[in-house]
Amino acid sequence: DAGVIQSPRHEVTEMGQEVTLRCKPISGHNSLFWYRQTMMRGLELLIYFNNNVPIDDSGMPEDRFSAKMPNASFSTLKIQPSEPRDSAVYFCASSFLAGVTGELFFGEGSRLTVL
Amino acid sequence: ILNVEQSPQSLHVQEGDSTNFTCSFPSSNFYALHWYRWETAKSPEALFVMTLNGDEKKKGRISATLNTKEGYSYLYIKGSQPEDSATYLCAKYNFNKFYFGSGTKLNVKP
Repeated sequence: DAGVIQSPRHEVTEMGQEVTLRCKPISGHNSLFWYRQTMMRGLELLIYFNNNVPIDDSGMPEDRFSAKMPNASFSTLKIQPSEPRDSAVYFCASSFLAGVTGELFFGEGSRLTVL
Repeated sequence: ILNVEQSPQSLHVQEGDSTNFTCSFPSSNFYALHWYRWETAKSPEALFVMTLNGDEKKKGRISATLNTKEGYSYLYIKGSQPEDSATYLCAKYNFNKFYFGSGTKLNVKP
């Protein structure tokens, strides 16, 4: 299996622009998580999906952030409009949560820089 | 908010030294405790998933113990090597969510 695939790996954009980050989870996994890594807060959970349904989006910073999972093999995280404080590495992770033993498999992350 | 705390924040050891660090978490509503290894410029990779009080897991020179009653887990590295340099994250798993600590950054000097 190719693992969790994220794109783009790097994105540099200007304040006010729309940013879309993409994630392809591992086939067969039923949970998908979006995390943001910053120096100040470490790994923050933004949102997670179970069987394509958003379960908890309480970590999404504000209305500028939205996430979708239209099917089991694809998810997007969108920021519109982007701001410099959104600059971070965004990780997608998937898991097959069969009970409590499902470990997280992370993608390589999307490094976002908003100028 | 579920606080998972890790100590120390960073650690510098010499090659060959053995070391350990701590993950503390609320003992209530315990389901599982995960350890991840995160190398610079890569993504976190799972080391251990621990569920039972008294669990001990081992992978090569790395091992971990779990005390769910008092809410802590220790990660041990025996005979540290430069390739062990990474950030070690623990995460408590509750109700389909993973609560991560801020990690212990280990630097092993040759």
